[in-house]
Amino acid sequence: GAVVSQHPSRVICKSGTSVKIECRSLDFQATTMFWYRQFPKQSLMLMATSNEGSKATYEQGVEKDKFLINHASLTLSTLTVTSAHPEDSSFYICSARGKGNEKLFFGSGTQLSVL
Amino acid sequence: GENVEQHPSTLSVQEGDSAVIKCTYSDSASNYFPWYKQELGKRPQLIIDIRSNVGEKKDQRIAVTLNKTAKHFSLHITETQPEDSAVYFCAGGSGYSTLTFGKGTMLLVSP
Repeated sequence: GAVVSQHPSRVICKSGTSVKIECRSLDFQATTMFWYRQFPKQSLMLMATSNEGSKATYEQGVEKDKFLINHASLTLSTLTVTSAHPEDSSFYICSARGKGNEKLFFGSGTQLSVL
Repeated sequence: GENVEQHPSTLSVQEGDSAVIKCTYSDSASNYFPWYKQELGKRPQLIIDIRSNVGEKKDQRIAVTLNKTAKHFSLHITETQPEDSAVYFCAGGSGYSTLTFGKGTMLLVSP
């Protein structure tokens, strides 16, 4: 299957700092990437959808100025959590889909802990 | 938009038994239904998927059935093994649009 790489796997930061998470499709061109947030023992909560070369579409209730998403190439999307606070602590996970392919492949996730 | 309901939230079975997880969806335009397995702290892995033009699909011990009329689909795991223990998510959508995920089922297989 297709491989999606996500880094870092774990990050601990101080409140007020910004954190960037990268999501890369290694062996296919990802025309669409999705970013999710997952709380312990809960489902995947879609935050935003990004198509290569265009602005991300954010789900209701997700602050676009807080969670900056960039999808500058067909293999890379980044999520930047700006001015992180303890309530932003969560498991963030990306997924990617190639052109003409329904299948969605996930990154390995990033556990963010904001102190 | 699409709404996917998943049941049960937890399922405990003995090794060797079968496990069935059920999902319903609301949008009749949805035509793609994947199932993902997520082990603790790891990424969801696609285990099987079905499209609306097919009623059933099987891959070794895993099968998925789809009833378009009733808008429900199910995951069947036969001869369960302890390594099948994980959280399973169903999802539904219209192929190339956003997938809506169910809330997940924690499957526990006891030796």
